[in-house]
Formats: sequence, structure tokens, C-alpha cells
Amino acid sequence: DGGITQSPKYLFRKEGQNVTLSCEQNLNHDAMYWYRQDPGQGLRLIYYSQIVNDFQKGDIAEGYSVSREKKESFPLTVTSAQKNPTAFYLCASSNRGRTGELFFGEGSRLTVL
Amino acid sequence: AQSVTQLGSHVSVSEGALVLLRCNYSSSVPPYLFWYVQYPNQGLQLLLKYTTGATLVKGINGFEAEFKKSETSFHLTKPSAHMSDAAEYFCAVSFQGGSEKLVFGKGTKLTVNP
Repeated sequence: DGGITQSPKYLFRKEGQNVTLSCEQNLNHDAMYWYRQDPGQGLRLIYYSQIVNDFQKGDIAEGYSVSREKKESFPLTVTSAQKNPTAFYLCASSNRGRTGELFFGEGSRLTVL
Repeated sequence: AQSVTQLGSHVSVSEGALVLLRCNYSSSVPPYLFWYVQYPNQGLQLLLKYTTGATLVKGINGFEAEFKKSETSFHLTKPSAHMSDAAEYFCAVSFQGGSEKLVFGKGTKLTVNP
């Protein structure tokens, strides 16, 4: 079945460590997105990519980095510069011309100890 | 400023009762409107959308929503709640086109009581 796979589902990290969250899609979608979800705050866009080898900052990109070397993959690195990294991270993708219709992965919950 | 407001962070209904989740937006241009559902510890799933045409939109699981331009609203309804409807619901609005411009409301958690 086509879909988006995020891993790991749960991740614990010590302060000062970088961590990379994986996102893979087999939907052949051009665009991919990373959102951060905190209780009561909805979803906030971290980074997005509309084409391979290109990506753009979203609303809260500070302390995060991404790459888009393959159409299927859009990993997110949470760096030690992110001051409050504990959150639920969601990856999504969308097809060209289907504005607003996002397909989401099941999320990765990051906890900083 | 363009924004999305979901009235009520928590809504509780009895099984079989009407579900009404409210969403209002502020925009000077007609937006695209969406409702997403999120079950615990999962991603979001698209319930329904309005882009153009008929203002009453039907979605999955018996949900529907009506776009009312004069009220700048897109409330989500379901005639009879089921226990499986318990989840968090997000209204989302695209003001300028492009999925990267999608703005999400803060969500409404629906509880269904037996």
C-alpha cells in the first residue's frame, strides 16, 4: 500500500545531541513537509520541499535542518540549537495541483531528557 | 491577518447525539477549506474539503461541512455520534494557494460518551 513511513515512532535524546527523523513516501508525491505538533497549538510548519534538491523554511525552522536528495525521502534533523525539541513531529506529502490535501505519516514523538 | 479559529478545544457529546465542531476564518479572499481528523498518537487524515462549487461538502465517516461565506465559517457536523468518532479534529485553511500556505486551527478534541 502507498503511504508515508516515519521512523522512529518514539525517540529519546539527551540535551546537546542532534537527532534525525526519517520520512519516506512511496506515493510519488513531489512535495513533502515537516510539521511540529504541541498540545493545544495545532500544527506548525518547520520545512517544506516542492522538488528534489530544493527546500524552504517554514514558520519555525530555527534549530532544524533538512535534506531532499531523493524524491521519496525528506529527513529532518533536530539540532542541539533547538531550545525546546520535545514534541510530536509529523511528515506529510502532497501531489501537484492538490492544494491542501496532505497525506501524513504516523508521527515521531521526540523526548529530550 | 489571516487566521483560523476553532471554537472549543474540547467538545463532549453522547453517543447518537449531533456532533458540531466550529471553525471560523478571517480572510478577504475565498479560501480553500479542510477538516482533518487525528486519532491518538497517529497522523492526520483528510475528512473533507471545500475548494469551489457546492457549499455543502460530504466527507468520510458520515461527516459533512458547510461553507458559509457571509459568516466566514466552515463548521463540521455529523448527525449521530459514534464511539469511534472520538479523536481530535483540525480545521485548515489555504488562503493563498499552495499546500505550504495551509494554516491549521488549534484543534478540537471530541469525546463521545456511551
